Amino acid sequence: NAGVTQTPKFQVLKTGQSMTLQCAQDMNHEYMSWYRQDPGMGLRLIHYSVGAGITDQGEVPNGYNVSRSTTEDFPLRLLSAAPSQTSVYFCASHLGGSGGEQYFGPGTRLTVT
Amino acid sequence: GQSLEQPSEVTAVEGAIVQINCTYQTSGFYGLSWYQQHDGGAPTFLSYNALDGLEETGRFSSFLSRSDSYGYLLLQELQMKDSASYFCAVGGGDKLIFGTGTRLQVFP
Repeated sequence: NAGVTQTPKFQVLKTGQSMTLQCAQDMNHEYMSWYRQDPGMGLRLIHYSVGAGITDQGEVPNGYNVSRSTTEDFPLRLLSAAPSQTSVYFCASHLGGSGGEQYFGPGTRLTVT
Repeated sequence: GQSLEQPSEVTAVEGAIVQINCTYQTSGFYGLSWYQQHDGGAPTFLSYNALDGLEETGRFSSFLSRSDSYGYLLLQELQMKDSASYFCAVGGGDKLIFGTGTRLQVFP
């Protein structure tokens, strides 16, 4: 199993550009989440999904869209990038009933200039 | 809403024992989790407490008191490779909310 994969690893955007961060998992997990991590801020939940076709907002959803058309994929879209979105983005997945155990992808380091 | 507090930094020497505390406020509580993250890496799961008491996994133990909204991670026989950031998180159903993390530095 590849686990949770994320692409790209690094990305530089100009203000106003749009892009999609890809996340895929091959563990048949129902639940998937997107987090951003900034220095001294820990991990903040952006959006999460409890199954295909179902998504919900987390702590910091503004400026981001998600969709979940399949169990495996959970892309994160930045519609109009802003410098405040410079961060490291992590995708995670877990089984329902697994308690607090989530499996994280390697992350995408995004810089918006 | 939810909020978690943990110390920003802890230092210790190899072989020592260190405790990282976490207090939380949450409107609905499932459990308290702990994650480890090395610099440049992804968070990895360490432990989960849904009930009061101590859970032990090798050199690491985690404790929860639901009545005090408090938990801690105990690391024994510290090794240099334990130098990392440690995060507590509340949740365990559909989502997790993380604290801001504690940076542990282990010195020889």
